[in-house]
Amino acid sequence: DGGITQSPKYLFRKEGQNVTLSCEQNLNHDAMYWYRQDPGQGLRLIYYSQIVNDFQKGDIAEGYSVSREKKESFPLTVTSAQKNPTAFYLCASTIDRDRQFFGPGTRLTVL
Amino acid sequence: DQQVKQNSPSLSVQEGRISILNCDYTNSMFDYFLWYKKYPAEGPTFLISISSIKDKNEDGRFTVFLNKSAKHLSLHIVPSQPGDSAVYFCAASDRGSRLTFGEGTQLTVNP
Repeated sequence: DGGITQSPKYLFRKEGQNVTLSCEQNLNHDAMYWYRQDPGQGLRLIYYSQIVNDFQKGDIAEGYSVSREKKESFPLTVTSAQKNPTAFYLCASTIDRDRQFFGPGTRLTVL
Repeated sequence: DQQVKQNSPSLSVQEGRISILNCDYTNSMFDYFLWYKKYPAEGPTFLISISSIKDKNEDGRFTVFLNKSAKHLSLHIVPSQPGDSAVYFCAASDRGSRLTFGEGTQLTVNP
């Protein structure tokens, strides 16, 4: 089955710790994206990557970092510099510029 | 600057009736629009899209209307079913490599 997997589904972190969220796709898509969802604020773009070894900041990149060493993988690190990291994180990919396919998401809670 | 806005946070309709979800945008460079449906704790799934060269696109019970002069689009669901209860996001593309999402509208279809 082709698709996007995100792990873990639920993640708890202590304040001051970095944490990495996994995103893997076997759709052979070139572009991948990370979004954050907060209640009443829709989906906000954190980072995106159109090809391997290249990525761009989205609208709310501060406190986050990414890497794109392989086409299939686009991990997101939430650093201690992110002031309010508790949120639902969504990874997406696309082979064309418009229709994005989403993973199931990771709920991150900072304790 | 919120370029895509969904002004109604919630909408409640009776089963069998029509649901109309609205979306407004400000960026005249947007040329492709999409609707996504999202259940709690899951990733959004693509529902229907429309190019700016059209004013209507229909897929089964779902129809999207685009009014470019008013920078407004709407999603009609007829007839509405309880399984349609979800958050609906509209999104827009400006020929770039990213989508801009609205805040979402929670649709509740009552049996």
